[in-house]
Amino acid sequence: ETGVTQTPRHLVMGMTNKKSLKCEQHLGHNAMYWYKQSAKKPLELMFVYNFKEQTENNSVPSRFSPECPNSSHLFLHLHTLQPEDSALYLCASSQDLGGSYEQYFGPGTRLTVT
Amino acid sequence: KNEVEQSPQNLTAQEGEFITINCSYSVGISALHWLQQHPGGGIVSLFMLSSGKKKHGRLIATINIQEKHSSLHITASHPRDSAVYICAVTTVGAGSYQLTFGKGTKLSVIP
Repeated sequence: ETGVTQTPRHLVMGMTNKKSLKCEQHLGHNAMYWYKQSAKKPLELMFVYNFKEQTENNSVPSRFSPECPNSSHLFLHLHTLQPEDSALYLCASSQDLGGSYEQYFGPGTRLTVT
Repeated sequence: KNEVEQSPQNLTAQEGEFITINCSYSVGISALHWLQQHPGGGIVSLFMLSSGKKKHGRLIATINIQEKHSSLHITASHPRDSAVYICAVTTVGAGSYQLTFGKGTKLSVIP
């Protein structure tokens, strides 16, 4: 039980589809993150939100569009993806930003783009 | 850009063996994290440390700041310890909340 939930757990979509990933944290944290984990690569940070404000966009293509309506919810909107975008997408949260705060991860969404 | 190197990449052990996974990094850090990722993807934070040693059950994590090196030890290993173990660091300075990850060490413990 991590306190961070993600839906869906698995998603298969075509390159012309539009879909959204959802993340919810029940820990009262102020910071939320999206990570991408591709096969045989380290986790890559995509976006960071703190108190609903985006503080980091790590040169992510515009076909990935994040949304943070409140501190408990984070979405990743997907459109016109490419097959190389197939990966595990992980959401995480932490009490606040800063190296001394532990990050809590969700179970991930396994995305396959066909 | 900080680089985090882990060794070994893959490790197979017999149940009951003592296991060590190593992590080296190249710049100043504010904290080092050890994470566990089971098949299926979910990641669990095992330790966060900035100095010395921490112990939780059969797991021990140590860090040597001067040598920029950390180790994760598992005593009396069990098949349920089979997972990918990931080292990550938060660096000092701008963007210091960001984690930089190693590629992970895949551990298989055989009964």
